[in-house]
Amino acid sequence: GIQVEQSPPDLILQEGANSTLRCNFSDSVNNLQWFHQNPWGQLINLFYIPSGTKQNGRLSATTVATERYSLLYISSSQTTDSGVYFCAVELTTGTASKLTFGTGTRLQVTL
Amino acid sequence: DVKVTQSSRYLVKRTGEKVFLECVQDMDHENMFWYRQDPGLGLRLIYFSYDVKMKEKGDIPEGYSVSREKKERFSLILESASTNQTSMYLCASNGGREQYFGPGTRLTVT
Repeated sequence: GIQVEQSPPDLILQEGANSTLRCNFSDSVNNLQWFHQNPWGQLINLFYIPSGTKQNGRLSATTVATERYSLLYISSSQTTDSGVYFCAVELTTGTASKLTFGTGTRLQVTL
Repeated sequence: DVKVTQSSRYLVKRTGEKVFLECVQDMDHENMFWYRQDPGLGLRLIYFSYDVKMKEKGDIPEGYSVSREKKERFSLILESASTNQTSMYLCASNGGREQYFGPGTRLTVT
């Protein structure tokens, strides 16, 4: 099956710092999504990004599908950005699209 | 505002009990999913459904079954709960684009 690798696995930042999270995938995919899981376990969809670049406030994402990677940029980090960031790639199996998740990047933002 | 709800945030059951986890979405999505999340193992797909009464096995279906009698509701059933099914269970839905998750049910089997 498809492999989804995220780096770094762990990241500690001081508030106000910028960071880049990377997602590599091993095969062609129909789509890619980024999620943030907060400390209470809720997964929030950040970006639906099959290709190109999108921005939402302090977050932006870029997917280069031909080279099989995606990047999530966090600028001016805040403590509320702490949690685990997952990328997930979408495969269509003929009946339903389903996501394969990476193992995540755990981010801790300190004061 | 999109919403996926799960019947319980925390649940404690005894070994051998039959356990029902309920999930409801209000977005008229065709696709619904059940995952479990364990430390070091990430999110693993248990079952999914692409239409009413339709279901497909995910990566780890053993010990679980599902039911989808109405489009908005997808139930996960543990026929005879075991301690290795202690986990966080996450329900999700999508309509072919963004996927939305419920808040999760933390199940402990003792």
